[in-house]
Amino acid sequence: GAGVSQTPSNKVTEKGKYVELRCDPISGHTALYWYRQSLGQGPEFLIYFQGTGAADDSGLPNDRFFAVRPEGSVSTLKIQRTERGDSAVYLCASSLGGTGSSTEAFFGQGTRLTVV
Amino acid sequence: GEDVEQSLFLSVREGDSSVINCTYTDSSSTYLYWYKQEPGAGLQLLTYIFSNMDMKQDQRLTVLLNKKDKHLSLRIADTQTGDSAIYFCASRGGSQGNLIFGKGTKLSVKP
Repeated sequence: GAGVSQTPSNKVTEKGKYVELRCDPISGHTALYWYRQSLGQGPEFLIYFQGTGAADDSGLPNDRFFAVRPEGSVSTLKIQRTERGDSAVYLCASSLGGTGSSTEAFFGQGTRLTVV
Repeated sequence: GEDVEQSLFLSVREGDSSVINCTYTDSSSTYLYWYKQEPGAGLQLLTYIFSNMDMKQDQRLTVLLNKKDKHLSLRIADTQTGDSAIYFCASRGGSQGNLIFGKGTKLSVKP
């Protein structure tokens, strides 16, 4: 596709359930980022992939959060035992380069996760 | 950890200039960015500046960088109602690719 695609656009889940959020980056972009944006806040970094490997996962809040990018393209963010505090918009971005590059990070529209 | 601070609100009249300010703490930031977010929409990159520059102009947008004070500003000339949005300042460190965002400045443009 032309841009970064995230699915689903909205997800409502019950507390304690498991969810998967998908990101389809722009073709050829090797760098992929996940951010979380809570209401009234700026996006907060979660994890960064360069190719298939997680180059930096220091932003993941705890071990309930995990992300994969097995073939270096599509990425899935997985949240186990969801809590109400996980409710936020989860943003994915991709770029041509990673560290030290000025290349623009293109953001998807985000997945709005609501935990009830 | 590293931090980016912005004022939360700015209100201007249509046709006036808007100036949105930002301060950051990471002295190793190589690039600094301004993003725009409209309601229900994703983040759109407006402009960026490399840390060895002190000014960048792009049509109605002017970015000023004071690296000594770690202060960044975005000036929008001839502000229009369509400029109403939340504007995020972000820094990009030298060692990793992730962006550190401020909380955003909500710009309201009154006709």
